[in-house]
Amino acid sequence: GQNIDQPTEMTATEGAIVQINCTYQTSGFNGLFWYQQHAGEAPTFLSYNVLDGLEEKGRFSSFLSRSKGYSYLLLKELQMKDSASYLCAVRDADYKLSFGAGTTVTVRA
Amino acid sequence: IAGITQAPTSQILAAGRRMTLRCTQDMRHNAMYWYRQDLGLGLRLIHYSNTAGTTGKGEVPDGYSVSRANTDDFPLTLASAVPSQTSVYFCASSRTSEGEQFFGPGTRLTVL
Repeated sequence: GQNIDQPTEMTATEGAIVQINCTYQTSGFNGLFWYQQHAGEAPTFLSYNVLDGLEEKGRFSSFLSRSKGYSYLLLKELQMKDSASYLCAVRDADYKLSFGAGTTVTVRA
Repeated sequence: IAGITQAPTSQILAAGRRMTLRCTQDMRHNAMYWYRQDLGLGLRLIHYSNTAGTTGKGEVPDGYSVSRANTDDFPLTLASAVPSQTSVYFCASSRTSEGEQFFGPGTRLTVL
């Protein structure tokens, strides 16, 4: 099974940078996903890492260290619309996703 | 518009009643999934189907059943609803079991 931990809440100022950490313990690893979920809406895909290192996609970047069981999602130049929950999900050897409880990010003006 | 639809959007149900949540996708994705999302617990996999005609159990399958008669539809049935099944239910699909998952808009279910 999977054990996935991420902070419950984070607050940051518009224009700033926020880093959301995710640690996991898994019996089999086949990739790590980050999803964004606005209140009352469906999760939407942000990023995917399967090899160690940094993946950059515009204002969002995601990092993975498989040996440490660690990932982070970096949100740069924060905008008000970035206020949402961010879900870390680990895929196991059978290609099933296990999700963390999510980190609620609040962006303040 | 291509995507995933779920019905109903929300439902209040008496305990003991039978309920089927519908999920349809028009992206010709092979794999489909049902999750429930509860506060503080995140999304948990109920059942999945890697291809039409096959289904499998996820992390929390008890009290739920699914069928996959064709590629597009993946209904979730609660045979006899209980209050602990109060949750938001999300259906998802992916081109293959290895691909990125796309989520439907969700069904908010309350069992009284």
